[in-house]
Amino acid sequence: KNEVEQSPQNLTAQEGEFITINCSYSVGISALHWLQQHPGGGIVSLFMLSSGKKKHGRLIATINIQEKHSSLHITASHPRDSAVYICAVEGYGGATNKLIFGTGTLLAVQP
Amino acid sequence: GAGVSQTPSNKVTEKGKYVELRCDPISGHTALYWYRQSLGQGPEFLIYFQGTGAADDSGLPNDRFFAVRPEGSVSTLKIQRTERGDSAVYLCASSLTPGGTYNEQFFGPGTRLTVL
Repeated sequence: KNEVEQSPQNLTAQEGEFITINCSYSVGISALHWLQQHPGGGIVSLFMLSSGKKKHGRLIATINIQEKHSSLHITASHPRDSAVYICAVEGYGGATNKLIFGTGTLLAVQP
Repeated sequence: GAGVSQTPSNKVTEKGKYVELRCDPISGHTALYWYRQSLGQGPEFLIYFQGTGAADDSGLPNDRFFAVRPEGSVSTLKIQRTERGDSAVYLCASSLTPGGTYNEQFFGPGTRLTVL
């Protein structure tokens, strides 16, 4: 079993829909990251959070430390949101801060 | 430069050859990470540098893989006797400091390695 699990693996939505991507992890963490990867492009950090909720534009990320679960929400989705969304965690107690990644969620928003 | 850069962007080589992949981190970033992303998978950690030293190389798959960062800035990932299974996108990331709560990692565009 992977230490970081994402669902769904693939998601197709119509423009304007509210989207939720889920992430569950099994290790103790110091922080959780949500990242965006466009086809052929690099990875961009969207959020880094260790508790509660963060909002940036149409994106909202929440985390529940007790349940070891995080969600990424996209409101009023748009075709330009189409990308792979990756959840990654930083392990707890180490000095490395290396990231452990989920396999990603491929999102396609259709006009 | 404004961000992390990696060269080459694409590398095609034959099985058994030696390759070097280069990463230029953001100026002033002391922490540097190498990750490998196979098709359809999330990235996997390879090695982490703090300054010039490899503080954590636990992700290197075997002794054919080696990385250096001699002056604490540019890093080179070296792969000897390449195998077809080494084909992947190799990602580099850097961060200002290795620890703390706000350790945002900035990623380069990656090097796509294809071993024929």
